[in-house]
Amino acid sequence: QSALTQPASVSGSPGQSIIISCTGSTSDIGGYNYVSWYQQQPGKPPKLIIFDVNNRPSGVSNRFSGAKSGNTASLTISGLQTEDEADYYCSSFTSYSTSVFGGGTKLTVL
Amino acid sequence: QLQLQESGPGLVKPSETLSLTCSVSGDSTTNASYYWAWIRQPPGKGLEWIASIYYRGTTYYNPSLKSRVTISVDTSKNQFALRVTSVTASDTAVYYCAGHSRKAPAVTSWFDPWGQGTLVTVSS
Repeated sequence: QSALTQPASVSGSPGQSIIISCTGSTSDIGGYNYVSWYQQQPGKPPKLIIFDVNNRPSGVSNRFSGAKSGNTASLTISGLQTEDEADYYCSSFTSYSTSVFGGGTKLTVL
Repeated sequence: QLQLQESGPGLVKPSETLSLTCSVSGDSTTNASYYWAWIRQPPGKGLEWIASIYYRGTTYYNPSLKSRVTISVDTSKNQFALRVTSVTASDTAVYYCAGHSRKAPAVTSWFDPWGQGTLVTVSS
């Protein structure tokens, strides 16, 4: 199975909004609403921030939102803060009952 | 509150077998809402899902690793484990265990919670 495709890096200024894309296929993102997003700070385990495409776990800021169109999912972070600087990963269930991650996107808050 | 903790050797020789255990606390490995998963992250690289297991023994593996990997669960000890045989330097990574949400039989979604991770280095 191939990894989902994410941009290697994105950047934005405090207060701005950014979007991170995650592209797969009809066998994963396009076929199921089981896309999740994770934030990973240096030296820490990943933290779940979006599940099932557009749901936020309790305690996650409403500045994080998710969406999906066809084979591409997206994570939007609005009102960027310096603390949002981290690596972000998407993940999806696949038609083979396996899971696959994206390659990760490094967010820089300028 | 569900918590997971990885344990195992930090150094494994090439061609040998890597063995890790994940201890689950705050809930039972027989909780029907979860599969139990292993995920790894080579230094400076991205996440790679390795395998998931349901408490009744149903397993799913990453096809690229399936020939060398075994995941198992011990409900009496509230633990699950990972074995990777014939390791090479490319198996050097931080290994995480995680809860893997179960949506339906053979259907999973998000990973949460995660353990803190354990670094395994493959070197002679």
